[in-house]
This record gives sequence, structure tokens and C-alpha cells, in this order.
Amino acid sequence: DIQMTQSPSSLSASVGDRVTITCRASQSIFTSLNWYQQKPGKAPQVLIYAASTLQSGVPSRFSGSGSGTDFTLTISSLQPEDSATYYCQQTFRTLISFGQGTRLEIK
Amino acid sequence: QVQLVQSGSELKKPGASVKVSCKASGYSFNDYAVNWVRQAPGQGLEWMGWINTNTGDPTYAQGLTGRFVFSLDTSVSTAYLEISSLKAEDTAMYFCARENYYAGSGYDDYWGQGTLVTVSS
Repeated sequence: DIQMTQSPSSLSASVGDRVTITCRASQSIFTSLNWYQQKPGKAPQVLIYAASTLQSGVPSRFSGSGSGTDFTLTISSLQPEDSATYYCQQTFRTLISFGQGTRLEIK
Repeated sequence: QVQLVQSGSELKKPGASVKVSCKASGYSFNDYAVNWVRQAPGQGLEWMGWINTNTGDPTYAQGLTGRFVFSLDTSVSTAYLEISSLKAEDTAMYFCARENYYAGSGYDDYWGQGTLVTVSS
């Protein structure tokens, strides 16, 4: 199985801050990496797929980068509605796996 | 518009079975696989597996026991997750999701609203 490790597990930032969340795969997954946002009581929503492609309707302050084993989700200017838990997901192998999640709190 | 609508919450006793449905609309059901994802209370997302909506062939995550079965009824564009011999640790929110593809890799672009299964005596 491919293990996905996110960091940090949680963070607190202020409105307008630039926020970066990282995800590391236990082996190369090329660009088969997706990012999801989940708010309490809701289903996850895809933000970024194939490492860097912004899903339609997602604000442009979200961006993704990376390939191989190291990936980054960046929020360029944090907004109050970005308070959520963020998950990375690898789909390189038939057996898909998620990172453990990063809880983002707005100060 | 694309929608995945799941069946309602379930309260079951240990040892019972439950069948969660996921009805798709707004697209050709056979064109996209369906993933199942579990989320225990206060925990992260756990991928359970997927089902090929063309062949009906399921793929289960490692460690997922034979108590979990994915199935389809393509005549009503619906995927099912059945869990037998329920245990307290099966208490979780269960999501279905449509798997789309880009550049050879999948991503879940539409999700059901989730079905809460609670196992308690």
C-alpha cells in the first residue's frame, strides 16, 4: 500500500495569510494526487486534481504543486470560509489512500 | 445536474446487516466508477474500495473483510454497500463518490451526502 503523510496535522492562521499544507507519498505517485476540503457534517469536495489542476468553481486562491513523492496545497490569501479539514488522496495505484488530514482553523 | 443521493441514517444492533444505497442522476451511470469512503466519528477519510459500473466487479481495500459487499442495480442507476455482522466499530458515516479521470488518474468529483450507520445495542 502507498502511505500518505500530511503535515501539519493542524494549523491556525489569520485571514489574508498564505497557508501551505504538504503531503508526502511513501513511493512515487507521479502526479496522481488530489486535494479535498471537508467542512463539518459535509461530504468532501475536490479542490485540486492531478496535483495541480483546479476543479471548476474552486476559487483561484487555491493551488497545488508537486510530483513524485512531495506535494503542496497552497491557499494564497486565507478567507474565513476556508476553515475546514484538508485531505490529500493518491490514485496512482488501484488501492487508493488518503492522508490523515490537516485541520485548518482561522484565528 | 449530477447528483448522488444516499439512503438515510440507520441504527442497527450488533450482528445485524445494513444496505446503503447511492442513487446517481444527471449522467450516464455506466461511464463512471463509484468509490466508497468511510469516516468514523471524529476521524479521517478511509477509502473502502470501488465498483466498476460496467462489469459490476468490485475492488476492496486491503483489510476490508468479507462483511462488506459492493453491488449495483444499473436499471435504477444505483450502487449499494452492504455490511453484514455489524460491529460497534462499523459506526461511521459512509460516502459514495463518482470517480472521474484526467490524464490517466482518478479523482472524486461528485459525492453523496453521506449515510450515518450507528451500531449499538
